[in-house]
Amino acid sequence: RKEVEQDPGPFNVPEGATVAFNCTYSNSASQSFFWYRQDCRKEPKLLMSVYSSGNEDGRFTAQLNRASQYISLLIRDSKLSDSATYLCVVNYSGGYQKVTFGIGTKLQVIP
Amino acid sequence: NAGVTQTPKFQVLKTGQSMTLQCAQDMNHEYMSWYRQDPGMGLRLIHYSVGAGITDQGEVPNGYNVSRSTTEDFPLRLLSAAPSQTSVYFCASSSRRERSYEQYFGPGTRLTVT
Repeated sequence: RKEVEQDPGPFNVPEGATVAFNCTYSNSASQSFFWYRQDCRKEPKLLMSVYSSGNEDGRFTAQLNRASQYISLLIRDSKLSDSATYLCVVNYSGGYQKVTFGIGTKLQVIP
Repeated sequence: NAGVTQTPKFQVLKTGQSMTLQCAQDMNHEYMSWYRQDPGMGLRLIHYSVGAGITDQGEVPNGYNVSRSTTEDFPLRLLSAAPSQTSVYFCASSSRRERSYEQYFGPGTRLTVT
C-alpha cells in the first residue's frame, strides 16, 4: 500500500460547482498535513496546511480525519483558475526527511 | 527576494555524461532538498540538507551527489547520466523556524537523457 494515496482524476467540473478530493495515508504516526497546488509544467506551491480542527481559506476547506487516516480538500464555487493538480503531502514524525507527496489529483474546471 | 532559483531550465544529455543542476535560495532557509517528479509518481526525495555542511540521502539517491558548502546553494550532480534519470527536477527550501515545514520550490529543470 502506498504511503499517501490520491485519486489521480481528472475531475471535470463546471464553473460554480463544489468539488472534494480525499487523500489517505498509511502511517498513523503522521503529524503534519498539507495541500499543494501544481499548475501544468510549474512548481508546486503551498495551498494550505491542514489542522486537526479543520481550516478554511476563502472557498477552500481542508479537513483531517485521524481515525480513518485521510485528509480532504473542498473547493466551493469553482473557478476556471482553480484548474490544476492538487498534491496531498504528509509529514511523518516531524522530521523534514519524512515528507511524502501523493501523485496529485487533477482538476479541470469547465466553462 | 528571488526565492528559489534553478538553472538550467532545460537540459539534454547523452548517456554517460555528467552535469550539475544548480539551486540557490535567498531566504536564509536551513533546509534544502532535491526532488524528481515522474508521470504517475509523486515527488520523490533524492537528497536533502538540514544546514551547511550536512547532507543526507532521500528515497532515490543512487546516481546523484550533493554538497552544501553555503546556506544559499545546493547543487545536484549527476555522475553518469542514464535514460532512467529523464525527469523533472525540483529544488526546494524550508525553514525550521516554521512549524508547518512549508516548502518553497524552484521552477524546475527538465532533463532528458538520450
